[in-house]
Amino acid sequence: GENVEQHPSTLSVQEGDSAVIKCTYSDSASNYFPWYKQELGKGPQLIIDIRSNVGEKKDQRIAVTLNKTAKHFSLHITETQPEDSAVYFCAASRETSGSRLTFGEGTQLTVNP
Amino acid sequence: DARVTQTPRHKVTEMGQEVTMRCQPILGHNTVFWYRQTMMQGLELLAYFRNRAPLDDSGMPKDRFSAEMPDATLATLKIQPSEPRDSAVYFCASGLRGDTQYFGPGTRLTVL
Repeated sequence: GENVEQHPSTLSVQEGDSAVIKCTYSDSASNYFPWYKQELGKGPQLIIDIRSNVGEKKDQRIAVTLNKTAKHFSLHITETQPEDSAVYFCAASRETSGSRLTFGEGTQLTVNP
Repeated sequence: DARVTQTPRHKVTEMGQEVTMRCQPILGHNTVFWYRQTMMQGLELLAYFRNRAPLDDSGMPKDRFSAEMPDATLATLKIQPSEPRDSAVYFCASGLRGDTQYFGPGTRLTVL
């Protein structure tokens, strides 16, 4: 089955700096890669996703890049703000699998004011 | 503002008791997922349904856990009997197209 590894497990940055979280996956047939943000006491919230037919996607301060050859994808947050502090999860799935997502172990991001 | 709802938000019970958690998926979504989150195991998929039919429940301990969708607006996860190791946050998520999943706020279960 699919295995997703996520690094780093914790990340501390100064407000205004950029943050990068990286994930690798094992199943070459995976073609959908979402990122979720989980704030304390809440459920994970989808923040951005990418499909295998594109290499990069941006949404304001958030971008995701995908390298299918190397089987890794990354989340980039620019101009970080204290409200970006949360746990971030990457995930991967095959469309043909019936939407079964395999999650990484999460990254605790802390943005220091 | 469509969202997944879950009840109860918190549940404290004693070992051996039955626990039922409920989820109302986003109206029109045809896929429902149950996850368990713990510090040690992260987010684990327990089971999921499409058009109310179970597609995969391989992540669920069969002897004590059961998941059903009595109708399109209600999914249930039941634990009987509950054990302390079941203490976790249980999330329900729903989706329409398939891949994109929207999570509920979770049920925090504590089994004493």
